[in-house]
Amino acid sequence: EIVLTQSPVTLSLSPGERATLSCRTSQSASSPVAWYQHKPGQAPRLLIYGASTRAAGIPARFSGSGSGTDFTLTISSLEPEDFAIYYCQQRTDWPLWTFGQGTKVEIK
Amino acid sequence: EVQLLESGGGLVQPGGSLRLSCVASGFTFSIYAMSWVRQAPGRGLDWVSIICDNGGCTYYEDSVKGRFIISRDNSKNILYLEMNNLRAEDTALYYCVKGVPVAGKTTHFDHWGQGVLVTVSS
Repeated sequence: EIVLTQSPVTLSLSPGERATLSCRTSQSASSPVAWYQHKPGQAPRLLIYGASTRAAGIPARFSGSGSGTDFTLTISSLEPEDFAIYYCQQRTDWPLWTFGQGTKVEIK
Repeated sequence: EVQLLESGGGLVQPGGSLRLSCVASGFTFSIYAMSWVRQAPGRGLDWVSIICDNGGCTYYEDSVKGRFIISRDNSKNILYLEMNNLRAEDTALYYCVKGVPVAGKTTHFDHWGQGVLVTVSS
């Protein structure tokens, strides 16, 4: 069973700072990683799919990179609305879709 | 605009049953796989079940196999999740989500409903 491990658990930053979130998979899977933003009381929002492709309407400050077992979500300059929990996700087997445990980006 | 509107949640005793519904609009429902993802209190997201576009295939996470049944009515654009023999650990916010296929197989989910709360408690 492939496990997705996100780090750090919590990231304390100020608006305008750069955020770098990591997602490491325990094995390499054939399906690429997606990233979601989740705010309390709201539906999760797809940010990135295919490891690096921004979803429709997602600002350019969000970018994804990585391959194999190591993936990164970068927010180049944090806006006030970016403070949220971020999840990575992968189809780790067929049929199984797995999420990481999440990284909370909080205001420092 | 894609909309996914869940309903049917509530408080149920252990061993009880509930049926969740999700009304979809704003896209051609019948050509996309649909899924349920849940979030237990204070926890992260967990995939629960998925159904193929025509309803011809269904898959489940191990802990709900034999207890949950996913189905869909493509004539009405509705996704269902029948939950039986509910346990305390099924308590969660259940999200209806639209799958995105890559090379014919769903890899990720591009639209999510607001979620419906299921509480299993005596």
